[in-house]
Amino acid sequence: EVQLLESGGTLVQPGGSLRLSCAASGFTLTTHALTWVRQAPGKGLEWVSAISAGSGTTFYAGSVKGRFTISRDTSKNTLYLQMNSLRAEDTAVYYCAKYHYDSDGSRRLDPWGQGTLVTVSS
Amino acid sequence: DIQLTQSPSFLSASVGDRVTITCRASQVITSYLAWYQQKPGKAPNLLIYAASTLLSGVPSRFSGSGSGTEFTLTISSLQPEDFATYYCQQLHTYPDTFGPGTKVDI
Repeated sequence: EVQLLESGGTLVQPGGSLRLSCAASGFTLTTHALTWVRQAPGKGLEWVSAISAGSGTTFYAGSVKGRFTISRDTSKNTLYLQMNSLRAEDTAVYYCAKYHYDSDGSRRLDPWGQGTLVTVSS
Repeated sequence: DIQLTQSPSFLSASVGDRVTITCRASQVITSYLAWYQQKPGKAPNLLIYAASTLLSGVPSRFSGSGSGTEFTLTISSLQPEDFATYYCQQLHTYPDTFGPGTKVDI
């Protein structure tokens, strides 16, 4: 069974740093692309970042580019999100999710982890 | 970035109602659109991908249609467990943006 388990969310001060983890089971990170999606309290979903299968090419939303870094440790089968220069507006539940690719080129996010809460506040 | 809009943003309905949610993209995304359902305090769940393909295990009362820039999610007969927030997502071009959501309430 494919499962994703996020961890690392906590209270952090503005300007601080935090690293989130997403432990994957049931598949290997090198063969599947993964993404981070966040949801601020009472708000909608916001796509944050993705890392491709194979080469590990990375992609970022404009709101986090230059501050957040997505990476993976294949030996631990774990995805990471390093978040620097955190702002109050980064407060959110952060979900990791696995991309599924179909032969026609279409993609989808399934499954998702349960999420981890990051609160940026003094 | 590709922008998505959803209408309505809020929908009040009753059990048994037919419900339609519309998602519009700011540029052509062919059929690279997915629909997710989210209940309070839970992670989103995929319902439909490639605009109209129902994920295995999702009830057949859910259906999706559209291509290009306009898409719809239809629930043919609303059930109590369907009261939730629904999001569309374009997966044509990074960043894979989401629509703002449609809350379906009683």
